[in-house]
Amino acid sequence: AQSVAQPEDQVNVAEGNPLTVKCTYSVSGNPYLFWYVQYPNRGLQFLLKYITGDNLVKGSYGFEAEFNKSQTSFHLKKPSALVSDSALYFCAVSDYGGATNKLIFGTGTLLAVQP
Amino acid sequence: DTGVSQDPRHKITKRGQNVTFRCDPISEHNRLYWYRQTLGQGPEFLTYFQNEAQLEKSRLLSDRFSAERPKGSFSTLEIQRTEQGDSAMYLCASSLGNGDYNEQFFGPGTRLTVL
Repeated sequence: AQSVAQPEDQVNVAEGNPLTVKCTYSVSGNPYLFWYVQYPNRGLQFLLKYITGDNLVKGSYGFEAEFNKSQTSFHLKKPSALVSDSALYFCAVSDYGGATNKLIFGTGTLLAVQP
Repeated sequence: DTGVSQDPRHKITKRGQNVTFRCDPISEHNRLYWYRQTLGQGPEFLTYFQNEAQLEKSRLLSDRFSAERPKGSFSTLEIQRTEQGDSAMYLCASSLGNGDYNEQFFGPGTRLTVL
C-alpha cells in the first residue's frame, strides 16, 4: 500500500532563511508525489508534483522539492522563507495502481515563519 | 472564479439529522473526489466519480453516506442520521482525466459540526 510520512508536526524558521519540510514515502512501483498547502479555513492548493524526470521539481510561490529515490524522500524547500508562507503543508502520493488515482496524504506539517 | 466550489461552507446540525453538501467542480474536469479531513490529520479519501459513474468508495464511507453525480457535473454528498463522529471538513476535488498523474484541485470545503 502507498503511504507518506511527515516526521515533523511543526517547522519554525526565521523570515529570509531557507526552509525544508520533510516527507518520506513508501510505494510499490513508481512514486507519483505531490505537495499541497492549506491556509486556515481554506481548501488545499497544489504546489508541485513529481512524476518522472529531474529530481528537482519547481513549483508555485518559489517552492521546489527534491526527489531522492535512495532515501525515499521528497522534501519541500524554499531558499528564502516569507511570513506569508506560514501554513499547513501536506505531502501526498497518488494511488495510481487503482482506477481512481486518489491521493494518500501525510498528517501535515505546520510551517511557522517568524518575522 | 473558475475553481472548485462547495456549498455550504459551514453546517451545524443536531445528531440524527440528515445533511447534504454540494460540490461544483471545474467545468472540464471529468474526475471528482470527496475527502474528509479531521483536526490534525490529512485528508482521507471517501469516494470517486469518473463522469457520472461512482467507481470507488472507501470503507470509511458507511451506509449512512451516499454520493451522486447525476449528470457528470456537480456532485452531492449526503449523510443520514448524523453522528458526532461525522464532524469534520468535507473536501471536494476535481481533475482532468486525460492522464494518470494530473493534480487535483480542491474546493474550500464544508465544515460540518454535529451537536
